[in-house]
Amino acid sequence: EPEVTQTPSHQVTQMGQEVILRCVPISNHLYFYWYRQILGQKVEFLVSFYNNEISEKSEIFDDQFSVERPDGSNFTLKIRSTKLEDSAMYFCASSLRNTGELFFGEGSRLTVL
Amino acid sequence: QKEVEQNSGPLSVPEGAIASLNCTYSDRGSQSFFWYRQYSGKSPELIMSIYSNGDKEDGRFTAQLNKASQYVSLLIRDSQPSDSATYLCAGVRNDYKLSFGAGTTVTVRA
Repeated sequence: EPEVTQTPSHQVTQMGQEVILRCVPISNHLYFYWYRQILGQKVEFLVSFYNNEISEKSEIFDDQFSVERPDGSNFTLKIRSTKLEDSAMYFCASSLRNTGELFFGEGSRLTVL
Repeated sequence: QKEVEQNSGPLSVPEGAIASLNCTYSDRGSQSFFWYRQYSGKSPELIMSIYSNGDKEDGRFTAQLNKASQYVSLLIRDSQPSDSATYLCAGVRNDYKLSFGAGTTVTVRA
């Protein structure tokens, strides 16, 4: 069964460092998303991406964040200068249609020290 | 104001019983609703989607939507220990930004 894969599964970084989280969406999917979940809190929308551009982003997704689809398969989230409050589980998701029926990856846990 | 709110948990039910989960939403522009299941330490997994008023059944799961009351529910019949998880209600508007509720944790006692 096709799945969304994410790497790394866990990353520990120092405050102020840049982090890149990688995702390989399901191959025939057209819509890509990043969500995050701070420990014990709800899943929060960060950004959606379609046709090689951002289609929607939340207030959380400020200038420190960027997304890219550098080739036909990868979808990356970059955090330029990490803060303590960026510590969370980051989920990549993809969908075939723009309906809200998302397939999530297993997540990348980011710990900022 | 929270866009999607779920009834406070945790919810504990005996094996074989019905688990009833409720969700309300504030944005009348929300078009479609979803229930995701999230096991501890895992990612959300879609279990039900509902787009129009009424009931939708899929196996042991029944989703109900009432747009006039801005209310969504999920019933889990014949609850099994494997149903123990956090259930996330989510709604989406025309911008297709999926908004999740905080989740209701269900524990099924064997």
